[in-house]
Amino acid sequence: AQTVTQSQPEMSVQEAETVTLSCTYDTSENNYYLFWYKQPPSRQMILVIRQEAYKQQNATENRFSVNFQKAAKSFSLKISDSQLGDTAMYFCAFLDSGNTPLVFGKGTRLSVIA
Amino acid sequence: EAGVTQSPTHLIKTRGQQATLRCSPISGHTSVYWYQQALGLGLQFLLWYDEGEERNRGNFPPRFSGRQFPNYSSELNVNALELEDSALYLCASSWGVLAGDPDTQYFGPGTRLTVL
Repeated sequence: AQTVTQSQPEMSVQEAETVTLSCTYDTSENNYYLFWYKQPPSRQMILVIRQEAYKQQNATENRFSVNFQKAAKSFSLKISDSQLGDTAMYFCAFLDSGNTPLVFGKGTRLSVIA
Repeated sequence: EAGVTQSPTHLIKTRGQQATLRCSPISGHTSVYWYQQALGLGLQFLLWYDEGEERNRGNFPPRFSGRQFPNYSSELNVNALELEDSALYLCASSWGVLAGDPDTQYFGPGTRLTVL
């Protein structure tokens, strides 16, 4: 079974600075998908970024980018120019190409400090 | 375009009662997923419906059940409620199995179930 590990339960960053959230996963699959979701205090789970395992190029969405290391099974999220609105729980999630559900890490609580 | 919607926002029940939670997917999506987010336990998969059929089920007792309607909306039923069922229940939708590769799941705002 696939597992997702987020080793940083809590992190904080100063406004306008850069922060990196770590995620590692374990799978024997070759074709899969990785996601970062953000859950602010409002509870709504919002998709931040998606990466297909067959793509070597790291995904980027505005201030959010990933460092995908397939051999190391690592999928970290970098947030540049952090904003107060980035304060939230961040979940790393894994989806394989078969009929299985998303597997989530336990989350990292990020606080952006003014 | 409307996102995933869930109702009710909050639900308060007592032990032994039944709870019904509802979810409407994004237009065009045929897959609906249910997840439980309990304090300290993270997000756990409950059920997956696609084209009206149950496709997969998480490690939950049979008193957790659901269905998907012809318009692809879904209902989650929890019978014989227990205190530990108190949690945020999240629904997500995506393009279905006929679309080929699994696709991104988009989440609704959740239903907060409190069992007293």
